[in-house]
Amino acid sequence: EAQVTQNPRYLITVTGKKLTVTCSQNMNHEYMSWYRQDPGLGLRQIYYSMNVEVTDKGDVPEGYKVSRKEKRNFPLILESPSPNQTSLYFCASSLSWAGVGQYFGPGTRLTVT
Amino acid sequence: DQQVKQNSPSLSVQEGRISILNCDYTNSMFDYFLWYKKYPAEGPTFLISISSIKDKNEDGRFTVFLNKSAKHLSLHIVPSQPGDSAVYFCAASRSVGGSQGNLIFGKGTKLSVKP
Repeated sequence: EAQVTQNPRYLITVTGKKLTVTCSQNMNHEYMSWYRQDPGLGLRQIYYSMNVEVTDKGDVPEGYKVSRKEKRNFPLILESPSPNQTSLYFCASSLSWAGVGQYFGPGTRLTVT
Repeated sequence: DQQVKQNSPSLSVQEGRISILNCDYTNSMFDYFLWYKKYPAEGPTFLISISSIKDKNEDGRFTVFLNKSAKHLSLHIVPSQPGDSAVYFCAASRSVGGSQGNLIFGKGTKLSVKP
């Protein structure tokens, strides 16, 4: 089954404790991206990757890091989480670029206290 | 400054009638537009897209119209069904200029279809 998986699905952590949210896709997609969803703000892009070893900032990259060492995986790293990073995070992938319909993962709800 | 705007946070429609969801954009460089549907506790699902070389794209009950001069697009759902009740996001992208990876979303419109 074609899918994007994210782990963990739920996470409660404390300020400053480094964490990684994993994202994996099984569709051999070149493009992957991370978004956060906040009430009243819709979806905002954090980082994206057009291909392996190619990453670029979206609209809200501050406080986040990503890496794309292999095609199927695109982890999101929070080196020092802060309460304003409490949000619902989605990973997505598509064949080529942002203008092609993307497959989204189920989401990761992160709470930073 | 919001580049993609969905000015109606919510819309309520009777089953069987037409639902029209609207979206405005400010950046004239956008040339691809997409609609996503999102149910609670799930990731968004791609619905339909349109490129700026077209003014209409149809897929079953869903039609997207693009008015480039007005920088406006709309999603029509005919006929509306209770299962269409969800949050609908409009999104925009550029196919050239090194921004092919960047996708800008609106804030969403919550559609409720009443039986």
